Amino acid sequence: QKEVEQNSGPLSVPEGAIASLNCTYSDRGSQSFFWYRQYSGKSPELIMFIYSNGDKEDGRFTAQLNKASQYVSLLIRDSQPSDSATYLCAVPDYNQGGKLIFGQGTELSVKP
Amino acid sequence: ETGVTQTPRHLVMGMTNKKSLKCEQHLGHNAMYWYKQSAKKPLELMFVYNFKEQTENNSVPSRFSPECPNSSHLFLHLHTLQPEDSALYLCASVAGDTIYFGEGSWLTVV
Repeated sequence: QKEVEQNSGPLSVPEGAIASLNCTYSDRGSQSFFWYRQYSGKSPELIMFIYSNGDKEDGRFTAQLNKASQYVSLLIRDSQPSDSATYLCAVPDYNQGGKLIFGQGTELSVKP
Repeated sequence: ETGVTQTPRHLVMGMTNKKSLKCEQHLGHNAMYWYKQSAKKPLELMFVYNFKEQTENNSVPSRFSPECPNSSHLFLHLHTLQPEDSALYLCASVAGDTIYFGEGSWLTVV
């Protein structure tokens, strides 16, 4: 059974700070990694994906992947109160047709 | 707007009721899933449909019965549910690695 682990939080950061969200995964063969954001009462929405080792930047968001350590993170620079949400890490399980295995999510709270 | 529409958005039902959740997508995808999301738990994949055929049932109790009449529509029929079935039920339309979620149906079983 493939596993995706995240700290449930809540992670609290002040407005303007960098929020760092972490995710570890058990399948060393995993090739792609996804970050979803879920606001309270809403469905998850895809915000980032990363396939290669290193960093991928999109606006205030940076995804970092280290396949050797089986670790993927999401950094949010200049955090805003509107970033307060639960962030879900997901990894496809290609033994099951590529279905995404989700972590339990990390709740982020950005304080004004 | 993800292109995946779920109805109803909220549903309260008694344990002896029969109700259905509906999902519709016009994205041209051939795979649709049902997920269950309970408080503080990871998303749980319930059913997978590919080209209208059910390809996965993750040990879901028979009180949940899916139906996929065509590639654009997916239903989840509910009967004799338990209070612990109260959760957010998410439909997803899938293309490759990318999942497009509907807004979800909040179900409360009383």
